[in-house]
Amino acid sequence: GAVVSQHPSWVICKSGTSVKIECRSLDFQATTMFWYRQFPKQSLMLMATSNEGSKATYEQGVEKDKFLINHASLTLSTLTVTSAHPEDSSFYICSARDRVAYNEQFFGPGTRLTVL
Amino acid sequence: RKEVEQDPGPFNVPEGATVAFNCTYSNSASQSFFWYRQDCRKEPKLLMSVYSSGNEDGRFTAQLNRASQYISLLIRDSKLSDSATYLCVVTTNQAGTALIFGKGTTLSVSS
Repeated sequence: GAVVSQHPSWVICKSGTSVKIECRSLDFQATTMFWYRQFPKQSLMLMATSNEGSKATYEQGVEKDKFLINHASLTLSTLTVTSAHPEDSSFYICSARDRVAYNEQFFGPGTRLTVL
Repeated sequence: RKEVEQDPGPFNVPEGATVAFNCTYSNSASQSFFWYRQDCRKEPKLLMSVYSSGNEDGRFTAQLNRASQYISLLIRDSKLSDSATYLCVVTTNQAGTALIFGKGTTLSVSS
């Protein structure tokens, strides 16, 4: 089956630093990737939709200047959490939609971010 | 009102039990429906899609009632390995919209 990787799998950083998370589709091309955030005991919440070669579309309430998304190729999207604060600590998960098998999304293993 | 609502859970059942999860969605324009499974601190994994005619995959049966905007998942002969959180998921547009997740219902199967 299709594989999506995320890197790093976990990160601990100091408040005020920026953290970059990579999402890669390993064996398929993904024109669209999605970034989600999940707080403990909460549902996954969509943050933004990332289309290859164009600007990301952010959900209401998500600051685009704080969560920078780049989708420069058909296999890579990055999410940068700028000036991270403790309230940004969460589980960040990406998913990718196969350009061919359009209806299914494949999830990365997630990145656990802890901001001290 | 939340877009996707699920039974609060948790459900604690013995091995071999039959358990049913319910889910309602608020957007009548929703087009695709899924059940995902999420293990603790892991990413969600697709369990099965849900069709209007109902569909079955081994011990799992999913039903969709568009008129009531209601989705269900039935698990028969529960196994210890079924312990997880089950997420009800909908999309409103196959072409462009991301998945909308329910909060999930936690199942714990004990021996």
